[in-house]
Amino acid sequence: DTEVTQTPKHLVMGMTNKKSLKCEQHMGHRAMYWYKQKAKKPPELMFVYSYEKLSINESVPSRFSPECPNSSLLNLHLHALQPEDSALYLCASSQARKGEQYFGPGTRLTVT
Amino acid sequence: GIQVEQSPPDLILQEGANSTLRCNFSDSVNNLQWFHQNPWGQLINLFYIPSGTKQNGRLSATTVATERYSLLYISSSQTTDSGVYFCVHGSSNTGKLIFGQGTTLQVKP
Repeated sequence: DTEVTQTPKHLVMGMTNKKSLKCEQHMGHRAMYWYKQKAKKPPELMFVYSYEKLSINESVPSRFSPECPNSSLLNLHLHALQPEDSALYLCASSQARKGEQYFGPGTRLTVT
Repeated sequence: GIQVEQSPPDLILQEGANSTLRCNFSDSVNNLQWFHQNPWGQLINLFYIPSGTKQNGRLSATTVATERYSLLYISSSQTTDSGVYFCVHGSSNTGKLIFGQGTTLQVKP
């Protein structure tokens, strides 16, 4: 099973709200990733977790806060976002940090 | 860092036609993937192909690592093939994926 799931599929939030995105995989992968994708652009890496530890933060603003509670779960906590943060947020996982990555279906976020 | 260039940027095909998408890299690669992003945003793994040739149904891919390019062949295209095709290089050190700008394919019935 090469499935990564993400919830919710769609999210609309105000600039003062706090919300969380969730990602789950049951492939035994030990690396998990968050990407942000704007319209007509390729995905951009935000964070990498390897063995449940944050290994890469691509200078992402602190209003985005990742969390990896266990090897199967990855969360992205959102607080005080701006309208320009509206995008498709993609989660991915791989067996190891250098391996083939598998993506979830994404959460389409709109910040009003 | 390594650059990934894809061509053509846009492609319109009639259903049933064949096509070739190309990906050039600025340096040697040891981790290359092709993805199809459907109109709903899902990134679908097509091939993990750091070198050689692989085939999966109507799709096949070839990577010539020594010449720094990869090709994706789509035969007998269908409307469901529409979307964006990304060629992606994975860093051997960090695992970071470097995406090309993509080829947007539209297959008309």
